[in-house]
Amino acid sequence: ETGVTQSPTHLIKTRGQQVTLRCSSQSGHNTVSWYQQALGQGPQFIFQYYREEENGRGNFPPRFSGLQFPNYSSELNVNALELDDSALYLCASSPDRDDPEAFFGQGTRLTVV
Amino acid sequence: GQNIDQPTEMTATEGAIVQINCTYQTSGFNGLFWYQQHAGEAPTFLSYNVLDGLEEKGRFSSFLSRSKGYSYLLLKELQMKDSASYLCAALRYNQGGKLIFGQGTELSVKP
Repeated sequence: ETGVTQSPTHLIKTRGQQVTLRCSSQSGHNTVSWYQQALGQGPQFIFQYYREEENGRGNFPPRFSGLQFPNYSSELNVNALELDDSALYLCASSPDRDDPEAFFGQGTRLTVV
Repeated sequence: GQNIDQPTEMTATEGAIVQINCTYQTSGFNGLFWYQQHAGEAPTFLSYNVLDGLEEKGRFSSFLSRSKGYSYLLLKELQMKDSASYLCAALRYNQGGKLIFGQGTELSVKP
C-alpha cells in the first residue's frame, strides 16, 4: 500500500471522446507525476505537477493535460482519444520535487475502441 | 538523448540466482531505480542507487557504475512469486526529478 489511489481502475471509451483520470496523492506530497504504460512497455513520462503548476513535460501532444489541486489530488485529461491511447495510466506522488522516491498508484486501465 | 536498455525477457530456476542488467544514457542523471511490476499492477519500489557500488537488501541487491552507465539487479534464492517484470529507471533531474524507464525485463521463474 503506497497511499496513492487512482480512479477509476478500468475505463472503456470511444475514439474521439474525452476522458478524465483521477489520482489522490499521499497527504503532504506536493509533487505528482503521470505516466503512460502501453502493454509490454515501460512507463513513459507524461508530465509532472509541483505545487499546482506544470513542472516538466514528456513527449506527449497538447491534448494530454493535467491539473493538481491543493487537497493533494490531481487529474489527467485526454481529449480526442485515439486507439493508441489505450494503456495503463499511472500516477506517482513524491513528498517534494527534489525527493527522488515516487509512490505509485495502482493505475487506471484505459481502453479506447 | 535518453536511452535505457535492458533485456526483454529472462528465465531462471527456483532457488537460483539471476542478474538483470541495465545500461542507461541520459542527461541530468541523478540515480537509478529498480521496480518490480506484476501483470496489471503498479510498479513497486525495490532499490535506489545514487552512488557507485552495491546496495544489498535481503534477497535483492542492486549495483551502479555511473562512469559506465551501468546497473544490475541481483535476485538470490529465487521464488516462484519473483516472476514479474523488472523495470530499470534513471532519475533525471531538471527542476524536479523525472523517471526515465526501460521497457522492463520479464522474468519467468520455473520449478
